[in-house]
Amino acid sequence: QQQVKQSPQSLIVQKGGISIINCAYENTAFDYFPWYQQFPGKGPALLIAIRPDVSEKKEGRFTISFNKSAKQFSLHIMDSQPGDSATYFCAALNYGGSQGNLIFGKGTKLSVKP
Amino acid sequence: EAQVTQNPRYLITVTGKKLTVTCSQNMNHEYMSWYRQDPGLGLRQIYYSMNVEVTDKGDVPEGYKVSRKEKRNFPLILESPSPNQTSLYFCASSPIRFAGVNYGYTFGSGTRLTVV
Repeated sequence: QQQVKQSPQSLIVQKGGISIINCAYENTAFDYFPWYQQFPGKGPALLIAIRPDVSEKKEGRFTISFNKSAKQFSLHIMDSQPGDSATYFCAALNYGGSQGNLIFGKGTKLSVKP
Repeated sequence: EAQVTQNPRYLITVTGKKLTVTCSQNMNHEYMSWYRQDPGLGLRQIYYSMNVEVTDKGDVPEGYKVSRKEKRNFPLILESPSPNQTSLYFCASSPIRFAGVNYGYTFGSGTRLTVV
């Protein structure tokens, strides 16, 4: 019940295309859903996050869509660029419970071809 | 510069030889955490700490110890390392309250550990 399932494992997109990464969770106590971006040789860095009281959050080319009833959320990268090539992790947290216990998906390696 | 500092960046050791990976943050964060990253398995939490002298197990705590004697430091201790602990380790820290909706752990640069 603590798992966050992420798909696909890898993704190849042409420059200018839309990248879509999906995540699903089981624990209904999760109430905070961040996405992290990791470049080779670096630690993960927070990209964008959402709370379940909204269905969508947009920051620049990055959008999170959230479906509470389906317990699913996704990251959309519009106008994908080669510089977006990285590994992306979704995560989930029980804000009202243990704020330190951030659970990650297994990651999606995104390659954006020029 | 606000950061989480881990040392060493790379470490090769032999089975059974005790080692410590240090972690320090300069942001006065309450939460600190250790993760390991393995291909195909993503980031798995080993231990986390809510404040000084308060720690809790994550998903994969076996074979690891931690301590939080000072707010800024959170060392990871492997008393008797084994080859299955060969991994990339990340330390992270966070404030106790969300800074708006974009809460997040700040991660260090990682420690690549090889146990032979």
